[in-house]
Amino acid sequence: DGGITQSPKYLFRKEGQNVTLSCEQNLNHDAMYWYRQDPGQGLRLIYYSQIVNDFQKGDIAEGYSVSREKKESFPLTVTSAQKNPTAFYLCASTRDANTGELFFGEGSRLTVL
Amino acid sequence: GQQVMQIPQYQHVQEGEDFTTYCNSSTTLSNIQWYKQRPGGHPVFLIQLVKSGEVKKQKRLTFQFGEAKKNSSLHITATQTTDVGTYFCAGPKGGGNKLTFGTGTQLKVEL
Repeated sequence: DGGITQSPKYLFRKEGQNVTLSCEQNLNHDAMYWYRQDPGQGLRLIYYSQIVNDFQKGDIAEGYSVSREKKESFPLTVTSAQKNPTAFYLCASTRDANTGELFFGEGSRLTVL
Repeated sequence: GQQVMQIPQYQHVQEGEDFTTYCNSSTTLSNIQWYKQRPGGHPVFLIQLVKSGEVKKQKRLTFQFGEAKKNSSLHITATQTTDVGTYFCAGPKGGGNKLTFGTGTQLKVEL
């Protein structure tokens, strides 16, 4: 079945460590996004990519990095520079970079110990 | 920058009662989308509204886009326990399809 796969589903990290969250889609979508969700809050855009080998910062990019080497993959690295990394991370994609519904993965819950 | 606010933040209803959540943008939107997120789950697309004054229905759900394209509402008639979750509106910010999400309305339905 087509969809978006995020891994790992749960992740624990010690302070000072970098961690990479995986996002893979087999929907043949051009655009991919990373959102962060904190308890009781809406989604905030971290990074997005409209095409392979190109990506732009969202509203809260500090402390995060991404790459888009393949159309199917858009991994997110949470670096030690991110001051409050504990959150629920959601990856999404859209067929068209200019419009259309977002398809979300099931999310990765990161906890910093 | 563009802000999208939703009210109320929380709503508890008895099963069978109606529910409405309101979404307000500080800027005019080209379109607005609605998503539902079940507890512990991920957001799922419900609908997109594009035209000024547009009204769309999905069974017991009615979506409306304001005439000025700065506000929207979602109304659920005769809520059921399956309606439990958080409802988000979202509008495009800047170019492309970068969506700014509203703060969400968490709906709880009691038997």
